Amino acid sequence: DQQVKQNSPSLSVQEGRISILNCDYTNSMFDYFLWYKKYPAEGPTFLISISSIKDKNEDGRFTVFLNKSAKHLSLHIVPSQPGDSAVYFCAASERTGANSKLTFGKGITLSVRP
Amino acid sequence: NAGVTQTPKFRILKIGQSMTLQCTQDMNHNYMYWYRQDPGMGLKLIYYSVGAGITDKGEVPNGYNVSRSTTEDFPLRLELAAPSQTSVYFCASSYSISGQGEYGYTFGSGTRLTVV
Repeated sequence: DQQVKQNSPSLSVQEGRISILNCDYTNSMFDYFLWYKKYPAEGPTFLISISSIKDKNEDGRFTVFLNKSAKHLSLHIVPSQPGDSAVYFCAASERTGANSKLTFGKGITLSVRP
Repeated sequence: NAGVTQTPKFRILKIGQSMTLQCTQDMNHNYMYWYRQDPGMGLKLIYYSVGAGITDKGEVPNGYNVSRSTTEDFPLRLELAAPSQTSVYFCASSYSISGQGEYGYTFGSGTRLTVV
């Protein structure tokens, strides 16, 4: 039973346009969400996160939106650049106690065409 | 500051062999994790540790063992390698960002293991 779902396996966009990566979750106890970027042969690197008390968080070209009622979040990249081509993982955690284990989606491969 | 370091980067094992995947971090993080990533899948938690001497099972612990004798090291042991353990293994550590339950996670570069 997948608790974090990234239903689209891939996305291709033109350089300079907006990339929108979607993520859905089923566990209503999740209250902290993160996006990770992964290049081949490297470990995931942290991109941006959002707490459930917010509905938007922005960091440069990256913005994450959270819709708690729909259990949906999305990552917007504007403008997209060829260097953004990578696999993007959505992850979620329950911030209970001192340990926050991450549950990951399957990832989406973003290709930005020059 | 090296972050999270994993060794080896690649390994081929025969069925039934054993090995230890090494993970060390120099950031004094209390929390450490082992994940595996199968092709086309997300990362799944194998084991985690909230501090030296404390470990617990994650989502897919069968066939693996861990120990945490120091804050820095969190090795993952495969006792009897099976083809189903062919995967890419990532070690990670986490730290509190805000004291309000927000954590940052740092991942190693991974160990690609093939069991034949």
